[in-house]
Amino acid sequence: ETGVTQSPTHLIKTRGQQVTLRCSSQSGHNTVSWYQQALGQGPQFIFQYYREEENGRGNFPPRFSGLQFPNYSSELNVNALELDDSALYLCASSLTRNKGREQFFGPGTRLTVL
Amino acid sequence: TQLLEQSPQFLSIQEGENLTVYCNSSSVFSSLQWYRQEPGEGPVLLVTVVTGGEVKKLKRLTFQFGDARKDSSLHITAAQPGDTGLYLCAGERTGNQFYFGTGTSLTVIP
Repeated sequence: ETGVTQSPTHLIKTRGQQVTLRCSSQSGHNTVSWYQQALGQGPQFIFQYYREEENGRGNFPPRFSGLQFPNYSSELNVNALELDDSALYLCASSLTRNKGREQFFGPGTRLTVL
Repeated sequence: TQLLEQSPQFLSIQEGENLTVYCNSSSVFSSLQWYRQEPGEGPVLLVTVVTGGEVKKLKRLTFQFGDARKDSSLHITAAQPGDTGLYLCAGERTGNQFYFGTGTSLTVIP
């Protein structure tokens, strides 16, 4: 176990709805990254938070947004859900945001959009 | 479109065989990581390579970073059923962001 937890484990939503996914970082880790992993694909970088501020963003539309809290836990919010948003959403925490940092992944939240 | 292409996409071998997985890109990376992911779990880091030409060994696994820092390989000697899983490479670029490869699904048959 990596010490990174995510909730919920599974979630089913319908098109147009909104969803919030949660991530609890490993103790002392101030950096969290979110990834989307479609079935049979590698994870795609959504964004990264460092000390409560967005610190980098991948090629995802603005309806994907996030928050990081003072205890470094994090949320991923997705508005106006689309069928293609169905995927495994992973968060990864790390001690720093420096080059070559070790990322510890949670088990993911499986989102299904109907 | 993913920056890193892995090959092969699927690999099924007998226990005791050797194998190599490739991770290729036209982009330069400041570091490259290899992960293994099992069903229902997040990826677990195996190794980080930083310097062009760097070779790292982890028991039966050998990792190499290309001289130009655009590609990498993972070689497994005498594969075991416990090596079964999805192997992912991830290259680090500007802003310390990681871009994952397409993945190689390995099955080792006892």
